[in-house]
Amino acid sequence: DGGITQSPKYLFRKEGQNVTLSCEQNLNHDAMYWYRQDPGQGLRLIYYSQIVNDFQKGDIAEGYSVSREKKESFPLTVTSAQKNPTAFYLCASSIARGMNTEAFFGQGTRLTVV
Amino acid sequence: GQQLNQSPQSMFIQEGEDVSMNCTSSSIFNTWLWYKQDPGEGPVLLIALYKAGELTSNGRLTAQFGITRKDSFLNISASIPSDVGIYFCAGRSRGTYKYIFGTGTRLKVLA
Repeated sequence: DGGITQSPKYLFRKEGQNVTLSCEQNLNHDAMYWYRQDPGQGLRLIYYSQIVNDFQKGDIAEGYSVSREKKESFPLTVTSAQKNPTAFYLCASSIARGMNTEAFFGQGTRLTVV
Repeated sequence: GQQLNQSPQSMFIQEGEDVSMNCTSSSIFNTWLWYKQDPGEGPVLLIALYKAGELTSNGRLTAQFGITRKDSFLNISASIPSDVGIYFCAGRSRGTYKYIFGTGTRLKVLA
């Protein structure tokens, strides 16, 4: 089945550690996105990528890094510089070109700092 | 960063009632999307709108692309308990790849 797969579902991180969240899609979508969701809040854009080897900062990029070496994959690293990393992280993808585009989401990764 | 104004923030309704929510933006959009999110899950796309004035249905759900291009509306008819969740709107402007999301409407249905 086509879709977006995020792993792991739950992730625990010790203070000062970097962790990487995985996002893979087999929808042949050009654009991929990372959003952060805090309890009772909306979705805030961290990074997005329109094409392989290119990505742009979103509204809350500080303390995060990404790479886009393959079309299918857009991993997010939460670095030790992110002071409040506990949140629900959502990956999405969409067709980049054309007028009628829709974004589809993965199941999310819940990151907790312990 | 910009977030869309979505209202109401939350609502309790009786099973069988109709529900209305809306989303407003300071920017003009050429795409409006509506999603539903269950606890601990990713948002699921409900309806996509691409043209000002467009009215689109998906079962008991109906959404409209506002004529000013700065707002959108979602209606749920004859609500049922499984409609419980958070509903998000999202908009995208022409020439960008960024989707801006609303703050969400939390719906609770009383049986």
